Amino acid sequence: EPEVTQTPSHQVTQMGQEVILRCVPISNHLYFYWYRQILGQKVEFLVSFYNNEISEKSEIFDDQFSVERPDGSNFTLKIRSTKLEDSAMYFCASTYDSYEQYFGPGTRLTVT
Amino acid sequence: AQSVAQPEDQVNVAEGNPLTVKCTYSVSGNPYLFWYVQYPNRGLQFLLKYITGDNLVKGSYGFEAEFNKSQTSFHLKKPSALVSDSALYFCAVIYNQGGKLIFGQGTELSVKP
Repeated sequence: EPEVTQTPSHQVTQMGQEVILRCVPISNHLYFYWYRQILGQKVEFLVSFYNNEISEKSEIFDDQFSVERPDGSNFTLKIRSTKLEDSAMYFCASTYDSYEQYFGPGTRLTVT
Repeated sequence: AQSVAQPEDQVNVAEGNPLTVKCTYSVSGNPYLFWYVQYPNRGLQFLLKYITGDNLVKGSYGFEAEFNKSQTSFHLKKPSALVSDSALYFCAVIYNQGGKLIFGQGTELSVKP
């Protein structure tokens, strides 16, 4: 069964450094998303991407964040200058029909 | 504001007993409702959805949920709980095609032998 994959599973970085989180969505899916979950809290929407552009973003998704789908398969989330409060589990999701979203296993980002 | 509420942080059930995990949503247009389950250190796994049609939807692992428009609820149920059902359960809603999932705060389900 096809699945969403994410790399790395765990990323440790120092405050102020740039990180890139990578996702490979399911191949025929059209809509792509990033969510995050701070430890012990609920899952929060960051950004959605459709037809090679951002379709919606949350207030969390400020100028420090960017997304790209560089080669038609990978979907990346870049944090330009990480802060302590960016420490969270980041989930990528994709869907074909814009309803049922399939989630990847997540990348745990730890900012020290 | 669009929101989802799960009023119980934790639900404790004995194995073999029925379980219910509650969810209510704010009214705004036509919501599409979902349940996801998260096992420790794992991603979110889709359980079931309500898009349209029959208000009672059946999903994976014997779970079902009932969409109740008048009470704006979408409670998750299972007739006979298993210890392996112990996990974190999230209710979520989408309000438009391609839209973001809005999650509830999650309910920790604990099933004891």
